[in-house]
Amino acid sequence: DAGITQSPRHKVTETGTPVTLRCHQTENHRYMYWYRQDPGHGLRLIHYSYGVKDTDKGEVSDGYSVSRSKTEDFLLTLESATSSQTSVYFCAIRQATGELFFGEGSRLTVL
Amino acid sequence: GDSVTQMEGPVTLSEEAFLTINCTYTATGYPSLFWYVQYPGEGLQLLLKATKADDKGSNKGFEATYRKETTSFHLEKGSVQVSDSAVYFCALSDDGNKLVFGAGTILRVKS
Repeated sequence: DAGITQSPRHKVTETGTPVTLRCHQTENHRYMYWYRQDPGHGLRLIHYSYGVKDTDKGEVSDGYSVSRSKTEDFLLTLESATSSQTSVYFCAIRQATGELFFGEGSRLTVL
Repeated sequence: GDSVTQMEGPVTLSEEAFLTINCTYTATGYPSLFWYVQYPGEGLQLLLKATKADDKGSNKGFEATYRKETTSFHLEKGSVQVSDSAVYFCALSDDGNKLVFGAGTILRVKS
């Protein structure tokens, strides 16, 4: 199985502060994803990457940016956090079989 | 755009009861269909999948059949256990790169 480490796992921050979530994979999977999970909405795609420096927007990308300078790391940044960005954030990689493998999630609370 | 609609929960069953969680989809092409499961405090795990019409995915006693004529992928299990208590997500992938999720259905199984 692929290994994914998300950090931090829990974060509380204040409105207007910048936040960066990190996703690290231990294998060289090309595709990586950031989703957010909210009650009643399931998981919604924020951004995804299909290679180093190659990223694209998902359905809820406003207020978020991403970067991928190395194959193994995919960063999600909230430039100025808002209360509507309180959520659980999941990173995923696409395995060779085409299926997504998910990390354990990062719970973000914006006060 | 693509979308997935799941039955609302929570679904509460007694142990050994029959389970059905309904899932219907809208897609422009011929998507692959998935069921993911999320146990408390964990990330999502792939439960089963089907890649073309009339395919049946199965795993751990769960089954789902890809019905193109009714655009459905209902999840079934003949006899649920307490350990099956979790959130179940139906999802589709139209392009092989991104997943679109339903809102999720909470299943609670009582002993």
